[in-house]
Amino acid sequence: ETGVTQTPRHLVMGMTNKKSLKCEQHLGHNAMYWYKQSAKKPLELMFVYSLEERVENNSVPSRFSPECPNSSHLFLHLHTLQPEDSALYLCASSQDIGFNDEQYFGPGTRLTVT
Amino acid sequence: ILNVEQSPQSLHVQEGDSTNFTCSFPSSNFYALHWYRWETAKSPEALFVMTLNGDEKKKGRISATLNTKEGYSYLYIKGSQPEDSATYLCAFFGDDKIIFGKGTRLHILP
Repeated sequence: ETGVTQTPRHLVMGMTNKKSLKCEQHLGHNAMYWYKQSAKKPLELMFVYSLEERVENNSVPSRFSPECPNSSHLFLHLHTLQPEDSALYLCASSQDIGFNDEQYFGPGTRLTVT
Repeated sequence: ILNVEQSPQSLHVQEGDSTNFTCSFPSSNFYALHWYRWETAKSPEALFVMTLNGDEKKKGRISATLNTKEGYSYLYIKGSQPEDSATYLCAFFGDDKIIFGKGTRLHILP
């Protein structure tokens, strides 16, 4: 147990659906992250939040919409996804946004877009 | 294009043997290099955060070194055990960037 939970663990959705991924951290951390891992690719950073403010958006398509209502919760809202968006989505948190802070990862949500 | 390369991609090691693998990263705009261990069906877990050139860190049988001038880090495992089977990821922290390598998949043979 890393102290970071993600729900759901598996999700199958059609291209016209709207769904949300949820991440919760119980570590009192101030920074949270969304990563995407596609098959045979490295982890790709999508979004970074520090104290509920978005500080990084790595040119992610607008069909992915993050939300951070408080420092313990992070959501990724999904709509009109494409089959190539099928991937493992990992959430992580760290004490602060500094490069010195190790990241604690959740177990991920395996997303399949049909 | 900034790239983080890990080699080898996959490695089979006899139980009890020692092994090492490499992470290569950009030598400019460097802030930190992180190592993570990712076991199947679990979450990636932090091993080391390294920031200074010449850094050496150790955790039990696992250690890591850092050369920021030439842009590489080595991870060493001494006396491999079955529980060391995992994918080992390195991540480059640069100027407004976090870039992960694809990982080295380590299999420990009994």
